[in-house]
Amino acid sequence: DTEVTQTPKHLVMGMTNKKSLKCEQHMGHRAMYWYKQKAKKPPELMFVYSYEKLSINESVPSRFSPECPNSSLLNLHLHALQPEDSALYLCASSQVAGSNQPQHFGDGTRLSIL
Amino acid sequence: QQPVQSPQAVILREGEDAVINCSSSKALYSVHWYRQKHGEAPVFLMILLKGGEQKGHEKISASFNEKKQQSSLYLTASQLSYSGTYFCGTDQFRGGADGLTFGKGTHLIIQP
Repeated sequence: DTEVTQTPKHLVMGMTNKKSLKCEQHMGHRAMYWYKQKAKKPPELMFVYSYEKLSINESVPSRFSPECPNSSLLNLHLHALQPEDSALYLCASSQVAGSNQPQHFGDGTRLSIL
Repeated sequence: QQPVQSPQAVILREGEDAVINCSSSKALYSVHWYRQKHGEAPVFLMILLKGGEQKGHEKISASFNEKKQQSSLYLTASQLSYSGTYFCGTDQFRGGADGLTFGKGTHLIIQP
């Protein structure tokens, strides 16, 4: 079990659906991250939130919309996704955003787009 | 810029040693090492910061040569539990709000 909790664990959705991924941590961390991981590939950074503010958006398509309602929660809203968006979506957190901070990952949400 | 990891895969017998390398063509401020088992989350192993330090974690240690922009992960007397994919992650931003860029990974298989 990890200290970063992601729900749901699995999600299947059609290309016209709207859904949300949720990530929660109670370690008092002030930086949270979304990564996308395709099979047999490394995680790829999507977004970074620092003190509830979006600080990095790695040119992610607008069909992915992140939200950080408070310091413990991170959401990823999905709309009109494409089949190539099928992947494992990982959330991570660190005490603060910085190069000397270990990141703690959740188990991920496995997303399949029909 | 994605760091380059080598080798891509290693098969060892229990008790043998392994070295995994990570290099970058750009200046590095830190190198992170993670291990991911199939179907699980990446697990943090250690961070190496500028200064050429070497760190240890049980029988797993690592070095960072910032001049050569390289890091190496050393697994000594490997155990079955060491199996998994090892990723190095580099932070090439200037120490601000950053995320990591991961190498393609090294798949390590430990056989009894």
